[in-house]
Amino acid sequence: QQQVKQSPQSLIVQKGGISIINCAYENTAFDYFPWYQQFPGKGPALLIAIRPDVSEKKEGRFTISFNKSAKQFSLHIMDSQPGDSATYFCAASTNAGKSTFGDGTTLTVKP
Amino acid sequence: NAGVTQTPKFQVLKTGQSMTLQCAQDMNHNSMYWYRQDPGMGLRLIYYSASEGTTDKGEVPNGYNVSRLNKREFSLRLESAAPSQTSVYFCASSNEPDTQYFGPGTRLTVL
Repeated sequence: QQQVKQSPQSLIVQKGGISIINCAYENTAFDYFPWYQQFPGKGPALLIAIRPDVSEKKEGRFTISFNKSAKQFSLHIMDSQPGDSATYFCAASTNAGKSTFGDGTTLTVKP
Repeated sequence: NAGVTQTPKFQVLKTGQSMTLQCAQDMNHNSMYWYRQDPGMGLRLIYYSASEGTTDKGEVPNGYNVSRLNKREFSLRLESAAPSQTSVYFCASSNEPDTQYFGPGTRLTVL
């Protein structure tokens, strides 16, 4: 049973465009919803995280939207740049820190 | 401050051989994790340790054992490697449920 479903699997966006990645979860025990960015050959790195008591969090060009009733959350990358080309993972974590990851989205930003 | 370090970076084993993957963190984090990453499958939790002296199974624990040697170190052992264990292994640590810090990974091939 896949507890966190992520889409799309891959995404191609023109420079300056908006990249949108969606995730849905099933387990209502999840309390935290981080996003990680991974470049080839590197480990994932935290990009931005949201807690379910807020519906949106923005950090620079990155925004997380959260819909608790629908059990969905999404990452929006505004003004996408070629340097944003990477694999993005959503995750859902319990209060104990046990995380379940989505399968990842490979983003390519074309110049 | 090195963050999370993993050794070795690369390893090739023959079926049936054993090995231990080492992980250490210098951030004084309580929790540590082992994940495996396979193409198109995201990160799957193998084992985690919420604090020194405790370990718990994750999503895919079969064929692996772990030891939380002290607060800094968390090792992963393959007793009898199988080709299905060919993967990239990541160690992570955290003090907050929504923020994990990942190491650079170990690329393991089992022939």
